[in-house]
Amino acid sequence: DTAVSQTPKYLVTQMGNDKSIKCEQNLGHDTMYWYKQDSKKFLKIMFSYNNKELIINETVPNRFSPKSPDKAHLNLHINSLELGDSAVYFCASSAQTAMNTEAFFGQGTRLTVV
Amino acid sequence: GNSVTQMEGPVTLSEEAFLTINCTYTATGYPSLFWYVQYPGEGLQLLLKATKADDKGSNKGFEATYRKETTSFHLEKGSVQVSDSAVYFCALTVYGNNRLAFGKGNQVVVIP
Repeated sequence: DTAVSQTPKYLVTQMGNDKSIKCEQNLGHDTMYWYKQDSKKFLKIMFSYNNKELIINETVPNRFSPKSPDKAHLNLHINSLELGDSAVYFCASSAQTAMNTEAFFGQGTRLTVV
Repeated sequence: GNSVTQMEGPVTLSEEAFLTINCTYTATGYPSLFWYVQYPGEGLQLLLKATKADDKGSNKGFEATYRKETTSFHLEKGSVQVSDSAVYFCALTVYGNNRLAFGKGNQVVVIP
């Protein structure tokens, strides 16, 4: 069973479209994240949710809207897609205990905006 | 704030060579330290971790020791294989901070 799964794996779309990426974790973790990886492999946190509440929103354009219907799911909706949104988006989850703060990552969604 | 610095540039080496990737950090509080690996076309996988000073994390022949005095967590492997070709990320988190801070990553290419 995949611990953190996100769909789709690949997404090619035109500028101006709206798209969603879904993420689910079956690890029972209370914290979930979205990271963006650019073409140079640099990883930047976008959002973090703890128990369905938004706790980190890192100066991301408001075209990006995360939604967490429950602790196990964190979806990312992107409006009016732009060329610069092309990247790999990773979902991750972790259990925020003192000694076990490692994050588990999904396989990534490669978004290409044309 | 919390940040991680990795040495610049890709690393290219021959099979069975010794690998070192440097990682230094700054953190408020007491961080846990991690190395993640990303194989081509895949997501990030935890390679090893250390949660307190002088701890040594190890996995798949890789090792890293949490050095508080030098704020470092350098990754080493004594004899690399072609299958070790990947991008390696150093990262840290501080309990209660709810995020992982990543270094910029190092592309490692092992040539047969």
